[in-house]
Amino acid sequence: NAGVMQNPRHLVRRRGQEARLRCSPMKGHSHVYWYRQLPEEGLKFMVYLQKENIIDESGMPKERFSAEFPKEGPSILRIQQVVRGDSAAYFCASCRDQGEAFFGQGTRLTVV
Amino acid sequence: DQQVKQNSPSLSVQEGRISILNCDYTNSMFDYFLWYKKYPAEGPTFLISISSIKDKNEDGRFTVFLNKSAKHLSLHIVPSQPGDSAVYFCAARGYGGSQGNLIFGKGTKLSVKP
Repeated sequence: NAGVMQNPRHLVRRRGQEARLRCSPMKGHSHVYWYRQLPEEGLKFMVYLQKENIIDESGMPKERFSAEFPKEGPSILRIQQVVRGDSAAYFCASCRDQGEAFFGQGTRLTVV
Repeated sequence: DQQVKQNSPSLSVQEGRISILNCDYTNSMFDYFLWYKKYPAEGPTFLISISSIKDKNEDGRFTVFLNKSAKHLSLHIVPSQPGDSAVYFCAARGYGGSQGNLIFGKGTKLSVKP
């Protein structure tokens, strides 16, 4: 009975590199959310995806950030040319069409 | 523009007493509300939810109250225990399409003192 799996748990990148964060939803869940938590801040919505569809990406920065949730495989949050300000905890949650969403343990991205 | 607001960043309560965490929302399209609990370095854990057709939902020590006319909900924990010390997030969503977004408040840090 695996929950939402995120990997890696910790990721260190140098400025200018690419960061790829993976999220495998719970079995039977077809919706995925991505959130970012900066130090001392709450959870900020980034993007909401259904398989092969982006439902709402209004929380995503316009540049360098992208997300996908393919028919097969995990959802990927990609950050290109990372900067120090991208350092944060990134959380993924999954749910069925309605009801509660369940979170993964997060990926802590550190940009050095 | 914050659609979900938790105006108290922190709350301190004595063990055994009641903890009341509050949340306000602005979007009348929200029809489902959830509370999550988060420990440091862990993902948020789902606690309890309520649909807009109800005004109260209870699960053990946790009760959520919804006042739709005031666009306000609250989480009651009674009796509070030291293990309840965590950050509590209120979340809201609408139904369908982009309304299905799950929008979170900034959280309230609860400290339960023995």
